[in-house]
Amino acid sequence: EAGVAQSPRYKIIEKRQSVAFWCNPISGHATLYWYQQILGQGPKLLIQFQNNGVVDDSQLPKDRFSAERLKGVDSTLKIQPAKLEDSAVYLCASSLGRGDRDPGELFFGEGSRLTVL
Amino acid sequence: GQSLEQPSEVTAVEGAIVQINCTYQTSGFYGLSWYQQHDGGAPTFLSYNALDGLEETGRFSSFLSRSDSYGYLLLQELQMKDSASYFCAVSRRYNFNKFYFGSGTKLNVKP
Repeated sequence: EAGVAQSPRYKIIEKRQSVAFWCNPISGHATLYWYQQILGQGPKLLIQFQNNGVVDDSQLPKDRFSAERLKGVDSTLKIQPAKLEDSAVYLCASSLGRGDRDPGELFFGEGSRLTVL
Repeated sequence: GQSLEQPSEVTAVEGAIVQINCTYQTSGFYGLSWYQQHDGGAPTFLSYNALDGLEETGRFSSFLSRSDSYGYLLLQELQMKDSASYFCAVSRRYNFNKFYFGSGTKLNVKP
């Protein structure tokens, strides 16, 4: 079974530039998440999709971050314009999201490491 | 809101047993998960507790006490490859598929 795919793995940009990250979840996984992980910290949830609808985006800085999940499969996270503090690893994860039988397991991709100069 | 507390760093020797604690404060608690992350790698799922008690998976076990808002991850027969960061994460009833992660515990295994 293929895992969660993310690209690019690394990206270096200047502040005020824009960047986009792509994620392809495990086939059949209804729930997709974007997490931000700053060095030395735990993952912080940015946005959660259930199929192609947003379940939670309360911690997404909407003035600069946007995300979409077209057709309930792939997802794109965009940052525009980037700030120095956006330097982090952006992790995409997916889960079956089948309700109360969910085992609490998220499957993470390898992440996209962003450096803003 | 919610908060999770874990020790920032733990050191143990190969072959030993180590326990990583996690205390949490959250309304509507649903379950506690544990993840392992090697440097530069993706977090990988280790275990999940929704009910009180011990869950065992090979060398790893996880415990939950809902009344104490406390859980731990127990690693036995430590190996060098267990050197990694370990995160606890809670989910809440109103959205049991949403996970809040702690800041992580860096485990250093020495020969």
